[in-house]
Amino acid sequence: DGGITQSPKYLFRKEGQNVTLSCEQNLNHDAMYWYRQDPGQGLRLIYYSQIVNDFQKGDIAEGYSVSREKKESFPLTVTSAQKNPTAFYLCASSGQGVQPQHFGDGTRLSIL
Amino acid sequence: GQQVMQIPQYQHVQEGEDFTTYCNSSTTLSNIQWYKQRPGGHPVFLIQLVKSGEVKKQKRLTFQFGEAKKNSSLHITATQTTDVGTYFCAAWGYGGATNKLIFGTGTLLAVQP
Repeated sequence: DGGITQSPKYLFRKEGQNVTLSCEQNLNHDAMYWYRQDPGQGLRLIYYSQIVNDFQKGDIAEGYSVSREKKESFPLTVTSAQKNPTAFYLCASSGQGVQPQHFGDGTRLSIL
Repeated sequence: GQQVMQIPQYQHVQEGEDFTTYCNSSTTLSNIQWYKQRPGGHPVFLIQLVKSGEVKKQKRLTFQFGEAKKNSSLHITATQTTDVGTYFCAAWGYGGATNKLIFGTGTLLAVQP
């Protein structure tokens, strides 16, 4: 089945540690996105990529980094510079143009 | 960051009652999408509206795009417990951000059996 796979489902970060969240899609979508969702809140855009080897900052990029070396993959690294990383992280992809976004099941990140 | 405003933020209804959430923008929208997120889940695309005054129905759900393309609504007739979740509107190209989908603040619907 086509879809988006995020891993791990749950992740714990120690202080000063960088952690990487995986996002893989087999929908052949050009665009991929990372969102952060805090409890009871909406979705805030962290980074997005319209094409391989290119990405743009979203509204809350500080403390995060991404790469887009392959069309299928868009990993997100939460760096130690992100002082409040506890949140639900959602990856999404979409086709070109005004298309619906397809979301993965998300990763819940907590601080140890 | 940019956001499209939604009201109400939260609504609690008895099963069988109707529910409406509204999405408002200060600028003209080229399109509007609606998503549903079940508790603990991820957003799932419901529908897209593009034309001024457009109305689309999906069973008990009715979606409307305003004549001026600055607002949209989602109405659920005779709610069921399966309707529980947060409903988000979202717009491409909001405020000139042509490569981003801007999500509304969301409306959390609670349905009491």
